[in-house]
Amino acid sequence: KAGVTQTPRYLIKTRGQQVTLSCSPISGHRSVSWYQQTPGQGLQFLFEYFSETQRNKGNFPGRFSGRQFSNSRSEMNVSTLELGDSALYLCASSFAGGLTDEQFFGPGTRLTVL
Amino acid sequence: AQTVTQSQPEMSVQEAETVTLSCTYDTSESNYYLFWYKQPPSRQMILVIRQEAYKQQNATENRFSVNFQKAAKSFSLKISDSQLGDTAMYFCAFMSGGSNYKLTFGKGTLLTVNP
Repeated sequence: KAGVTQTPRYLIKTRGQQVTLSCSPISGHRSVSWYQQTPGQGLQFLFEYFSETQRNKGNFPGRFSGRQFSNSRSEMNVSTLELGDSALYLCASSFAGGLTDEQFFGPGTRLTVL
Repeated sequence: AQTVTQSQPEMSVQEAETVTLSCTYDTSESNYYLFWYKQPPSRQMILVIRQEAYKQQNATENRFSVNFQKAAKSFSLKISDSQLGDTAMYFCAFMSGGSNYKLTFGKGTLLTVNP
């Protein structure tokens, strides 16, 4: 069974631009979560989607948004990029996102904002 | 709000020895899970072990075991017979029934296994 895939793996953008990251979950998984990983703040929760519905959102500004498609693939978008948005963005998929469901992480997208 | 604290930013151990990574957490909830995740350099994060709060018996997965002290809100990871491949960042994480599908992570412990 293929694992969680994320595209692209690396991105370089300049301040003010916008970016879209993609996450394809493991086949059969309907929950996708996004996390931002930085050396200073560690891993922070961005949002979680299940069956195309956002069920939870972390404490990030409105510039961070996401969506999920009917095939469970998910995208996140960051508009008006700031230097502080440079990070590794991880997505994780699970069957339904519940306590007993193991979360499987993708390799991440490394975003650099210049 | 739940918090997870890992007080050891870095640790090192000699190959074949045993090492223990510390984690404390804070929550007012009763239904929750605790996890240890491993993130090797430039590789994907994987689940090492997990513990359900209602289970008194400590979880074990091969060379990895936990010491779950519920009253003290402590959840340490013991790695026995350390191997070079255990070199990684280790994250303690928490999820509860009330956290709405969100994992809360500690800042991580960088473990280096030396030959």
